Amino acid sequence: DVKVTQSSRYLVKRTGEKVFLECVQDMDHENMFWYRQDPGLGLRLIYFSYDVKMKEKGDIPEGYSVSREKKERFSLILESASTNQTSMYLCASRKSSGLSFYEQYFGPGTRLTVT
Amino acid sequence: RKEVEQDPGPFNVPEGATVAFNCTYSNSASQSFFWYRQDCRKEPKLLMSVYSSGNEDGRFTAQLNRASQYISLLIRDSKLSDSATYLCVVNPNQGGKLIFGQGTELSVKP
Repeated sequence: DVKVTQSSRYLVKRTGEKVFLECVQDMDHENMFWYRQDPGLGLRLIYFSYDVKMKEKGDIPEGYSVSREKKERFSLILESASTNQTSMYLCASRKSSGLSFYEQYFGPGTRLTVT
Repeated sequence: RKEVEQDPGPFNVPEGATVAFNCTYSNSASQSFFWYRQDCRKEPKLLMSVYSSGNEDGRFTAQLNRASQYISLLIRDSKLSDSATYLCVVNPNQGGKLIFGQGTELSVKP
């Protein structure tokens, strides 16, 4: 069974704090992704990584950075948390292939509240 | 124009009804297509991939129309357990990045 785990289900942080969200997958997937999901806006891609030490900006990278030092782990960092970063954060992983039909597996999500 | 657009919903239907969702995409070169399902307060999960020839999985049928750039999902004999948000997902190229629609909420009532 594929498993994508995230370090916290719920997190409350103060404005200006540095926040780390961790994601681990156990399927040896090359691709990993960080999204945020907000009502009315759907899933928006923040950053993704094709492989270890590789990262690409998604659609909304401002205010975020990422780290991929090991294949199984992809971290999202909020350098200085702001209230507009209150959201549900979802991590996902996917096998890399020339074929494009591989499923993307999601973690359970972290609901972050910045006060 | 959004890259992937879905019927806004919510759809409220009685048990046993047939319901159809449509989704349009803007990139004509898009390679592959999916429907994901997201239960309330849960993560999205793959419901089915959408193939050019159309495909069926039990009560669920997915269709792709490349000429008109839309995909559809038909659910027959709706069950209470079908209540969820259905996400239309497009892979615009061979890479790993997927584009998600906003989702359509389905509520099946007794």
